[in-house]
Amino acid sequence: KNEVEQSPQNLTAQEGEFITINCSYSVGISALHWLQQHPGGGIVSLFMLSSGKKKHGRLIATINIQEKHSSLHITASHPRDSAVYICAVDSGGSNYKLTFGKGTLLTVNP
Amino acid sequence: DVKVTQSSRYLVKRTGEKVFLECVQDMDHENMFWYRQDPGLGLRLIYFSYDVKMKEKGDIPEGYSVSREKKERFSLILESASTNQTSMYLCASSSGFRGNQPQHFGDGTRLSIL
Repeated sequence: KNEVEQSPQNLTAQEGEFITINCSYSVGISALHWLQQHPGGGIVSLFMLSSGKKKHGRLIATINIQEKHSSLHITASHPRDSAVYICAVDSGGSNYKLTFGKGTLLTVNP
Repeated sequence: DVKVTQSSRYLVKRTGEKVFLECVQDMDHENMFWYRQDPGLGLRLIYFSYDVKMKEKGDIPEGYSVSREKKERFSLILESASTNQTSMYLCASSSGFRGNQPQHFGDGTRLSIL
């Protein structure tokens, strides 16, 4: 079974700071997802990647398959980025299951 | 845009009641999922369905059942609600025949069992 670890668990930043959230997993995967959950519950898929790097606005996601590690970066952070960020992996095979990390709570203060 | 709609945002029920949580998606997705989310435990898969009338157990199926009679609708049933089923419940859907497509989530139902 794939184990997914995120760090840090909690992160507080000042507006404008560069943010990095890390995700490590134990078994090879076919894809890794980054999700965002704002207070109130709704979850939004930010990225799905299997290699390299993806960028969307101020968000950048990278993955290193050999090291079994992914990072989510936020440039020029803003209070509206405050949310829980969740990493999830698809370990491949014939099932449809994702394995989720426990999430990183990000608070960006003005 | 994909829309996944859960029938209630907040629900309060009593121990022993039969509880139905409904989820509807409007994008003709093959796959639908039910998760529960608890502090410190993250998202855990209860059941998923990859086709109409098809279902598979997730990691924590005990005390739950599901129904998928139509492609767009996936229902979660708590046969006899217990207090340890108080939680946030999230439905999701995805396209394709594998788990490597983005999942689209509903807004969640916060269920309290008294």
